[in-house]
Amino acid sequence: AQSVTQLGSHVSVSEGALVLLRCNYSSSVPPYLFWYVQYPNQGLQLLLKYTSAATLVKGINGFEAEFKKSETSFHLTKPSAHMSDAAEYFCAVSRGGGGADGLTFGKGTHLIIQP
Amino acid sequence: ETGVTQSPTHLIKTRGQQVTLRCSSQSGHNTVSWYQQALGQGPQFIFQYYREEENGRGNFPPRFSGLQFPNYSSELNVNALELDDSALYLCASSSTGGDTQYFGPGTRLTVL
Repeated sequence: AQSVTQLGSHVSVSEGALVLLRCNYSSSVPPYLFWYVQYPNQGLQLLLKYTSAATLVKGINGFEAEFKKSETSFHLTKPSAHMSDAAEYFCAVSRGGGGADGLTFGKGTHLIIQP
Repeated sequence: ETGVTQSPTHLIKTRGQQVTLRCSSQSGHNTVSWYQQALGQGPQFIFQYYREEENGRGNFPPRFSGLQFPNYSSELNVNALELDDSALYLCASSSTGGDTQYFGPGTRLTVL
């Protein structure tokens, strides 16, 4: 069984400050890990993914995440927040290779950017 | 390249009715997955279709059913609607053995 825990349902940072969104996972097999972003009344957009290659993954819009097996974590970071980053962020895990059991998502973290 | 599309955008039904939601997969993708996202929650996996057959299912009752067509588009059918079925329904497509799912904009279903 797989699970994802996102610490903090809401995270507030000032514009220009570091963004850190936390994600811990549980998986019985080597996981594939994803971060998706969801803007109000829209679907999910892929930010980045880890699929057993490099542990530091760079994504779109300046985001990156580091896979740490020893900590079972896949935290999302961005050096400098922008107002347009305000959205809901979801961490997800799968068993990889187009797994037929789908993606397992966390409950999401709402990112608030203060001017 | 055409992305994942879903129809309708919004839908209002009453309890006990049946509903059909539609999804067209991204060009070149032959696998479609459906998710339910309740308000304030993360998406939950309903099922996945590949080669017109269901090949994976989450913890949803049989009144949630689906179809996939030869052009890889898909339908999600929900019978005997309940109030708790009110949610955003997301469709995602991927390629054979692909590790990434690409999502459509969703259909917002309201059950009164």
